[in-house]
Amino acid sequence: GAVVSQHPSWVICKSGTSVKIECRSLDFQATTMFWYRQFPKQSLMLMATSNEGSKATYEQGVEKDKFLINHASLTLSTLTVTSAHPEDSSFYICSAYHPQGAYDYEQYFGPGTRLTVT
Amino acid sequence: KQEVTQIPAALSVPEGENLVLNCSFTDSAIYNLQWFRQDPGKGLTSLLLIQSSQREQTSGRLNASLDKSSGRSTLYIAASQPGDSATYLCAVRRGSSASKIIFGSGTRLSIRP
Repeated sequence: GAVVSQHPSWVICKSGTSVKIECRSLDFQATTMFWYRQFPKQSLMLMATSNEGSKATYEQGVEKDKFLINHASLTLSTLTVTSAHPEDSSFYICSAYHPQGAYDYEQYFGPGTRLTVT
Repeated sequence: KQEVTQIPAALSVPEGENLVLNCSFTDSAIYNLQWFRQDPGKGLTSLLLIQSSQREQTSGRLNASLDKSSGRSTLYIAASQPGDSATYLCAVRRGSSASKIIFGSGTRLSIRP
């Protein structure tokens, strides 16, 4: 089956620094990937839609200058949290669409990245 | 705007019981509905996916139903086991293209030995 990986699985950074999270589709090409954020005991909230070769589409309330998304290839999307603050500490999950036949897609999720900002 | 709600938010039952988790959505124009399991600190595991034209899907001790007209889905777990303890999320997708998925708030399930 389709596999999506994330790297790193967890990261600790100091306040004010930037951190990059990678999302890779391992055995398929993904023109569309999604980034979610999950706070403790809460559900997944969609942050942005990442489209290969074009700008990401951000959900309302998500700062595009703070959460930089780059989808430079069909198998890799990156999320960079710039000038991180403790309130950015969260679990970040990506997903990628895998084609199912000619007209359908199924979304596969990565294992998540735990970000802690001190 | 699609909103997905899950009730209850948390549930604790003794081992062996059958249980039902509920999911409701406000916009019935969905393409499919999916149930996921999430263990603490982990990613998502897909359990069952129901297309909008389907009424139910079954996998082992799990059965998911869909009533699109009323905006409801249920996940039935038979003969619950401690290993079933996790958070269960339902999610709806609007379109057949690579459209986004909207998640419910989740139900934290605890099965007592």
